Amino acid sequence: DTAVSQTPKYLVTQMGNDKSIKCEQNLGHDTMYWYKQDSKKFLKIMFSYNNKELIINETVPNRFSPKSPDKAHLNLHINSLELGDSAVYFCASSHGLAGVADTQYFGPGTRLTVL
Amino acid sequence: DQQVKQNSPSLSVQEGRISILNCDYTNSMFDYFLWYKKYPAEGPTFLISISSIKDKNEDGRFTVFLNKSAKHLSLHIVPSQPGDSAVYFCAASSTDTGNQFYFGTGTSLTVIP
Repeated sequence: DTAVSQTPKYLVTQMGNDKSIKCEQNLGHDTMYWYKQDSKKFLKIMFSYNNKELIINETVPNRFSPKSPDKAHLNLHINSLELGDSAVYFCASSHGLAGVADTQYFGPGTRLTVL
Repeated sequence: DQQVKQNSPSLSVQEGRISILNCDYTNSMFDYFLWYKKYPAEGPTFLISISSIKDKNEDGRFTVFLNKSAKHLSLHIVPSQPGDSAVYFCAASSTDTGNQFYFGTGTSLTVIP
């Protein structure tokens, strides 16, 4: 049974479109994350939510908007897609205890290609 | 500014030998470190961790060493197996930032049968 799942696995779209990537975890974790892995393989955090509240928001264009309907889901909506948004996006989750760094469990990734 | 660096993008090792993957960091506040393993088309999976109160943590064939003065950690895999061929990421965090991890760019390990 998949712990952290993402849909879709692949997403090919035109510049200027709006798209969403969905993430769900069944681990009972309180914290979820979105990471972007660019062409240089650099895995960088974008957002972190704890119990549906935003706790980390790195320097990310405001075209990216995370939405957490409940603590098991964290979706990523991207408006006006640009070529530079092409990357692999990973969702992750962790127990999220305050002040404690703990293991993060990753989804399989969504490869976004903007044409 | 990349706070965690893996300067070797790739490494090839014969089956049965030791694989040593290296990671350097710049932030002296980091106190928790993890190694992740990633196969193609899959997400990273947790391998082993170490906190700054230790200098070594061992789990089966995998051992992580931490040298705080040098801001350096390494992952040793002994003996290496073909199934270990994957990309290995190190990640670091500090207690005051809780769950914000900084990742290196990964080292692609190939274990040759």
